[in-house]
Amino acid sequence: TQLLEQSPQFLSIQEGENLTVYCNSSSVFSSLQWYRQEPGEGPVLLVTVVTGGEVKKLKRLTFQFGDARKDSSLHITAAQPGDTGLYLCAGEGYQKVTFGTGTKLQVIP
Amino acid sequence: KAGVTQTPRYLIKTRGQQVTLSCSPISGHRSVSWYQQTPGQGLQFLFEYFSETQRNKGNFPGRFSGRQFSNSRSEMNVSTLELGDSALYLCASRRAPNTEAFFGQGTRLTVV
Repeated sequence: TQLLEQSPQFLSIQEGENLTVYCNSSSVFSSLQWYRQEPGEGPVLLVTVVTGGEVKKLKRLTFQFGDARKDSSLHITAAQPGDTGLYLCAGEGYQKVTFGTGTKLQVIP
Repeated sequence: KAGVTQTPRYLIKTRGQQVTLSCSPISGHRSVSWYQQTPGQGLQFLFEYFSETQRNKGNFPGRFSGRQFSNSRSEMNVSTLELGDSALYLCASRRAPNTEAFFGQGTRLTVV
């Protein structure tokens, strides 16, 4: 069974601070996606990483895929209240997509 | 290009009843997956349909079933509802299996 553990589970920070969210597994994934979900809405795709060691930037968000394609991180620089939400990673394996446990981020103005 | 449409958005049902939820994927997408999301369990995979065939199934009881039509629209049905079935049910649309998923806004089901 493929499992994706995210840490931390909850994060409450002040506006302007930096943060990193981790997504770890013992399984290898062919690709990994990051989503952000706001209350009462469906998850929205932020990025897909495919190659081991790959780094992608989306404005203040930096995503990295581990060299062995078993883990990933999401770094947010100078967090803003609009970044508040549930962040989910999802790994694509053989015929199956596994979602992480989620990280609930609150950015306080 | 229209997004993923789930209907209804909100639903209140009584224990023992049955419910049918609908999902229209993005035009051209042939894969539809269903997920149950609760605060305690996170996002749990229910099943995936591709070209009208169930491709994968999660660990849910037989009360949960689904189907996909020739136009790729999908429905999921839950029979004999239990209080624990209260959740946000999300539908994900993919062009094909193992490609990027685009989610609908979900159906919030409350069982009383």
